[in-house]
Amino acid sequence: GDQVEQSPSALSLHEGTDSALRCNFTTTMRSVQWFRQNSRGSLISLFYLASGTKENGRLKSAFDSKERRYSTLHIRDAQLEDSGTYFCAAEVFTGGNNKLTFGQGTVLSVIP
Amino acid sequence: NSKVIQTPRYLVKGQGQKAKMRCIPEKGHPVVFWYQQNKNNEFKFLINFQNQEVLQQIDMTEKRFSAECPSNSPCSLEIQSSEAGDSALYLCASSLGTGSDTQYFGPGTRLLVL
Repeated sequence: GDQVEQSPSALSLHEGTDSALRCNFTTTMRSVQWFRQNSRGSLISLFYLASGTKENGRLKSAFDSKERRYSTLHIRDAQLEDSGTYFCAAEVFTGGNNKLTFGQGTVLSVIP
Repeated sequence: NSKVIQTPRYLVKGQGQKAKMRCIPEKGHPVVFWYQQNKNNEFKFLINFQNQEVLQQIDMTEKRFSAECPSNSPCSLEIQSSEAGDSALYLCASSLGTGSDTQYFGPGTRLLVL
């Protein structure tokens, strides 16, 4: 089936540092969405991209517009409240159904 | 962020019992999705609706689950006979359309089958 490979699986960052998460897709994807899941299980949508890049504060995401086979999430100046589990989820090119296929998640810990 | 409402937040059932959970999508969102997230953080798409009609569902959902999105009532997902392996977080999401659209997720119903 369609696969979304997310890396790294876990990441520990000191406050104030930068890092990036990546998702590779085994097939061409129509769009990608990035989420952060908090300790209560709520999935918070960070970005939706059909192409190009988007930025929101210290977060920036990019979706490879040419081959549509990977996406990245950059975290700048990491803060304690950024801790959580991050998921990418991609939508395959199919007609009439935009179900998401999720990556395995990245557990991010920001430490003082 | 999201205005999708899911109830109950927690559900405990014995094996063989029915387990029913509900979802109210964001206002104006005709498309509703259900996903299952297990303890290993693996997500599984279960079913989606556009208004009251099923767009797609997986085999497991067709055989063991009962789901509907009646007009002017919450959507629901019900496991007919709960199994231990059904213990998971059930997430409902809604979106504006079946094209490429952001999906907004509710807080989930955490089901424990004893």
